[in-house]
Amino acid sequence: SQTIHQWPATLVQPVGSPLSLECTVEGTSNPNLYWYRQAAGRGLQLLFYSVGIGQISSEVPQNLSASRPQDRQFILSSKKLLLSDSGFYLCAWLGAADTKDIGDTQYFGPGTRLTVL
Amino acid sequence: AQSVAQPEDQVNVAEGNPLTVKCTYSVSGNPYLFWYVQYPNRGLQFLLKYITGDNLVKGSYGFEAEFNKSQTSFHLKKPSALVSDSALYFCASGGANNLFFGTGTRLTVIP
Repeated sequence: SQTIHQWPATLVQPVGSPLSLECTVEGTSNPNLYWYRQAAGRGLQLLFYSVGIGQISSEVPQNLSASRPQDRQFILSSKKLLLSDSGFYLCAWLGAADTKDIGDTQYFGPGTRLTVL
Repeated sequence: AQSVAQPEDQVNVAEGNPLTVKCTYSVSGNPYLFWYVQYPNRGLQFLLKYITGDNLVKGSYGFEAEFNKSQTSFHLKKPSALVSDSALYFCASGGANNLFFGTGTRLTVIP
């Protein structure tokens, strides 16, 4: 079965420091991968998605960047964090709900809570 | 443009009573509709989806949702609420790389 991991689970960083959040998926190959940010425990904002190694689509121009160095690894980075980067960051992959499914359901990781002080 | 709306920020229901969490959509063409649940400090868990076929979709944990094309709605339902159902529920619409989420509805089941 497929699983998705994110680390760290929580992170407290000072303003201006760099950021690296990692997401990995097991049990599947060449998945579409996504980074979302959830602010204030509510709405989700799609930040980036990737359909393959080295292929990144940015949905919202901002202080963050993403990379996909390996098939099942997706990294969210920043060179200098802002206060407004605080939030809950969720990684997701596109898969199938069951064997008859066409594979159009996003499945989410456990998330990383980032606090920028 | 695609969008979904969850008109209720908060829904309270007594344990054992039926629950409904509302969602309406605005989608051109045939909608792909999803429900997710989020427990505190956790990721979203997939509950169910509607792509095509039967208007009543059954999902995880006893939840079901009814697709109503004339009312452009996709309400989440459960016949008998449990305290453990208390969580944040998200409706979403879209395709593989453009999933649009509602603002979420916080469900509280009162013992």
